[in-house]
Amino acid sequence: QQQVKQSPQSLIVQKGGISIINCAYENTAFDYFPWYQQFPGKGPALLIAIRPDVSEKKEGRFTISFNKSAKQFSLHIMDSQPGDSATYFCAARSSGTYKYIFGTGTRLKVLA
Amino acid sequence: DADVTQTPRNRITKTGKRIMLECSQTKGHDRMYWYRQDPGLGLRLIYYSFDVKDINKGEISDGYSVSRQAQAKFSLSLESAIPNQTALYFCATSPPGGNYGYTFGSGTRLTVV
Repeated sequence: QQQVKQSPQSLIVQKGGISIINCAYENTAFDYFPWYQQFPGKGPALLIAIRPDVSEKKEGRFTISFNKSAKQFSLHIMDSQPGDSATYFCAARSSGTYKYIFGTGTRLKVLA
Repeated sequence: DADVTQTPRNRITKTGKRIMLECSQTKGHDRMYWYRQDPGLGLRLIYYSFDVKDINKGEISDGYSVSRQAQAKFSLSLESAIPNQTALYFCATSPPGGNYGYTFGSGTRLTVV
């Protein structure tokens, strides 16, 4: 079974701090790695994504770090804000099928 | 209007009842998906369709069926609902090819009593 393991399950960060969420995968046939942000009562929304030929991608306060040899990728939220409080899912796309495997989610709370 | 609309938003049904969850999209995407979200388990794929004539099972299709009525409409049915099908259900769409993620609907919260 293809899997994407996500940690931690929950995270509490002070306002202005750095939030870090990690994911690890086993299948080397994954070819695209997005992160989704989900607010209560809403569907997940694409936040940022990376291809395996890139080691880092930054968009504003959000950065993905990708380690192909370790088969790990992480989301870093710099200067975390209370508005960032949400559930975050990592995902990996199986090449050729365009199906995504999702991590189990991380509930982030940023304290004001 | 939302790009991906799911109806109903909330539903309580009894064990053994048949229920249909509907999804419509204005994105013009060919690919549509049904996912189920459970606490601690993330999102799991139930069924997916890459065009009107293409229906494929996902990892947890048992107890579910789908119908792709048109490019824009993809329905999920529970033929005989059971309590462990209580979950949050999401429809999603994506364009063909390229590095694109999904566009999700706002979800249907289903409770089977």
